[in-house]
This record gives sequence, C-alpha cells and structure tokens, in this order.
Amino acid sequence: SQKIEQNSEALNIQEGKTATLTCNYTNYSPAYLQWYRQDPGRGPVFLLLIRENEKEKRKERLKVTFDTTLKQSLFHITASQPADSATYLCALGGGSYIPTFGRGTSLIVHP
Amino acid sequence: DVKVTQSSRYLVKRTGEKVFLECVQDMDHENMFWYRQDPGLGLRLIYFSYDVKMKEKGDIPEGYSVSREKKERFSLILESASTNQTSMYLCASSNAQGNTEAFFGQGTRLTVV
Repeated sequence: SQKIEQNSEALNIQEGKTATLTCNYTNYSPAYLQWYRQDPGRGPVFLLLIRENEKEKRKERLKVTFDTTLKQSLFHITASQPADSATYLCALGGGSYIPTFGRGTSLIVHP
Repeated sequence: DVKVTQSSRYLVKRTGEKVFLECVQDMDHENMFWYRQDPGLGLRLIYFSYDVKMKEKGDIPEGYSVSREKKERFSLILESASTNQTSMYLCASSNAQGNTEAFFGQGTRLTVV
C-alpha cells in the first residue's frame, strides 16, 4: 500500500540555521508533491508545489527538491526564524485530484 | 482573500447526538473534502465531493455522511456521535485541475462526551 513517511521526531534548530525536512514515499508514483505549514489548532496552509519533472523549486527562503528515483522530497528553510516554528506536512498527488498527506514533522526554531 | 469557513471552532456534543459540521468556500471550487486529524495519525480523508450532489468515500467513512446541495457548501454529518469521533475536523477545497493547492478551513475541534 502507499506510504508517506515524515520524521515523527521534532526538529530543533537554532535561529539563522537552515532547517531541512524529509518526505519519503513508497508504492507511489506521484505526479506532484506539495508542502504545507500547520500551526497548532489551525488548518494547513499551502506553501509550495513541485511536479515530477521538476528537480527543485524556490520561494523566498523556502526550497523544495524532488527526487523520483530516491522517492524523496527535501524541504529547506534558510535563515530560519522562531516564527517558522510549526508542523510541516508533505502531500503527494497522482492521477486523482486527492492529495495524500504525510503525518508531518514539527520544526522548533530556538532564538 | 479566499476563504474556507467552518461553522464552529469548538463543539461539545453528547454521545448519540446527531452532529452537523458545515463548511463554506468562496472560491467556486469544484472539489471539497472532509478530513479528521488526530495526534500521531495525521490527516485522514473521510469523504470528498467533486461536484454538487456528488460524494465519494474516503479512507474512514464509517459513522459519517455528507451532503453537498450547493457548490459552495459541504456538510459533514455524524449520525450518532460516539466518543471515538472526538477529533479535529478539517474541511478543504480545491479546483477541478486537482494538482493545485488545497485551501483549508480553520478546523472544528469536536469533543463527544
């Protein structure tokens, strides 16, 4: 069955450093991958989408890579700030329009 | 500013009650979704709809039903609430192309006592 894996342990980093979050998947050939941010008690908010034929996407301090051979996406936040502290979800989509979400990884940026 | 609005942020209901969770979107989206989110389990799809009066079961439809009488509104119904339905419920919408972003509501935290 399809499986999406994100680190269940929180990622703790110091302000100013680059945060890197991982999304791995198995038994899936997604056409695209999305990253969302979720704050406590709130709904997820879309950040970036990357398609299967794209290797890398950037938006301001955010960078996403997509390696369909390794079946992995990396999500980077450069020059991280305490305000970046949140849970980050990856979502994969294929032939249907229903994205499948990972369980998310919590990021904590310490001042 | 585009929006998905859920009718309640917090709800407390008794076991056995019929519960209605309402969701309205103002983006003219064809697709609408209901998820529940529990610690350690992530987002799980309950039902989705790709058009008015159309509905499809998601991964965990048992104990739930839905209604989509108008394009902008998607309702989740708990026919007889049980304590194991205590959860955060999230509504989302997206356009028909499907590979673009999903817009989520603010969530409804439902407690069944």
